[in-house]
Amino acid sequence: KNQVEQSPQSLIILEGKNCTLQCNYTVSPFSNLRWYKQDTGRGPVSLTIMTFSENTKSNGRYTATLDADTKQSSLHITASQLSDSASYICVVTIKAAGNKLTFGGGTRVLVKP
Amino acid sequence: DADVTQTPRNRITKTGKRIMLECSQTKGHDRMYWYRQDPGLGLRLIYYSFDVKDINKGEISDGYSVSRQAQAKFSLSLESAIPNQTALYFCATSDPSGTGSDEQYFGPGTRLTVT
Repeated sequence: KNQVEQSPQSLIILEGKNCTLQCNYTVSPFSNLRWYKQDTGRGPVSLTIMTFSENTKSNGRYTATLDADTKQSSLHITASQLSDSASYICVVTIKAAGNKLTFGGGTRVLVKP
Repeated sequence: DADVTQTPRNRITKTGKRIMLECSQTKGHDRMYWYRQDPGLGLRLIYYSFDVKDINKGEISDGYSVSRQAQAKFSLSLESAIPNQTALYFCATSDPSGTGSDEQYFGPGTRLTVT
């Protein structure tokens, strides 16, 4: 069964600190992996996208890594800001007709001053 | 994303009632999707449409139906709402011919409560 597992489920960090979120997947065949940010009461917004051949992708203070061999990805947030408080969702696309997306349950991040 | 709008944003309804959630987009995308999100779970696909004449069931279509009235409009209906359909519903659009690898753009969501 195609699955995407994220950890931790939630975390609290102090403003200015770094944190790393994890994503493990069993989706096959793999097309690409995205990290989305979902603010409370809003729809998810794409942060990064990586294909099979890419190991890392940055978007400002967000850096995603991908190890396609171990089927693991991480999202690193540098120098966190209060506006980083949100849920972060790992999404893997199945390489098949329709490019079906498989969503992780998300990690809820709370940045405290 | 203001390019994808959903109405209503919040709705409380009673068991057995019929309800329609509407989605409109100004992005010019052919592909549209309906998802539901439950606490602690990933978004799950209800239905999707690749063009006006194409409708496909997702992984959890039972109890739902859809209508693609135009390229820009995709409606989700609950024929007879039940409490376990209480959830956050998202519409999304995508364009496989663009540069974003068929990236999906989400609306703001509709919070539905069935009592």
